[in-house]
Amino acid sequence: EIVLTQSPGTLSLSPGERATLSCRASQTVSSSYLAWYQQKPGQAPRLLIYGASSRATGIPDRFSGSGSGTDFTLTISRLEPEDFAVYYCQRCGSSPPYTFGQGTKLEIK
Amino acid sequence: EVQLVESGGGLVQPRGSLRLSCAASGFTFSTYEMNWVRQAPGKGLEWVSYISSSGSTIYYADSVKGRFTISRDNAKSSLYLQMNSLRAEDTAVYYCVTGYFDYWGQGTLVTVSS
Repeated sequence: EIVLTQSPGTLSLSPGERATLSCRASQTVSSSYLAWYQQKPGQAPRLLIYGASSRATGIPDRFSGSGSGTDFTLTISRLEPEDFAVYYCQRCGSSPPYTFGQGTKLEIK
Repeated sequence: EVQLVESGGGLVQPRGSLRLSCAASGFTFSTYEMNWVRQAPGKGLEWVSYISSSGSTIYYADSVKGRFTISRDNAKSSLYLQMNSLRAEDTAVYYCVTGYFDYWGQGTLVTVSS
């Protein structure tokens, strides 16, 4: 089973700053099958990025995904107040399990 | 507008059973693969189960295999999760999610406690 490890666990930044979140896989993950989600308190997760770098419908272009193999990155170019939340990466695709990383909490500094 | 509405959660005793339902609308349910994902209180996300659009292919996480059964009724645009032999560690919010994880319901809370 592929394990996804996200870092850092918590990231403290100010609005307007750039956020870089990491997701490392224990084995190679096809770029087609790496997704990122945002979750705010009391809400369901929201798909941000699929296929490692494609933005989901309605996602602002300040969110971008990159990476390949075992190392993937979610970048938020300039933080808005509504971006402070928990972010998860996930390996999805053709064969389960569709594991999630443990999450990175992005908090206001 | 895509809507996924879960129901059936509640308090159940250990070793008890519960059946979750998910009513889908706003899309052609019969053509979509579907998943259940859960989240224990204060914890991260855990994929639970997958079912293909026809119901012919089903997968489970090891943590629920042999205890949970996923099913669907395309005529009713509904997804189900039959949960048996429940344990305290099954306590979580259960989300109904489309196959590409692009649409999520708001979840239903299952609490397993005596």
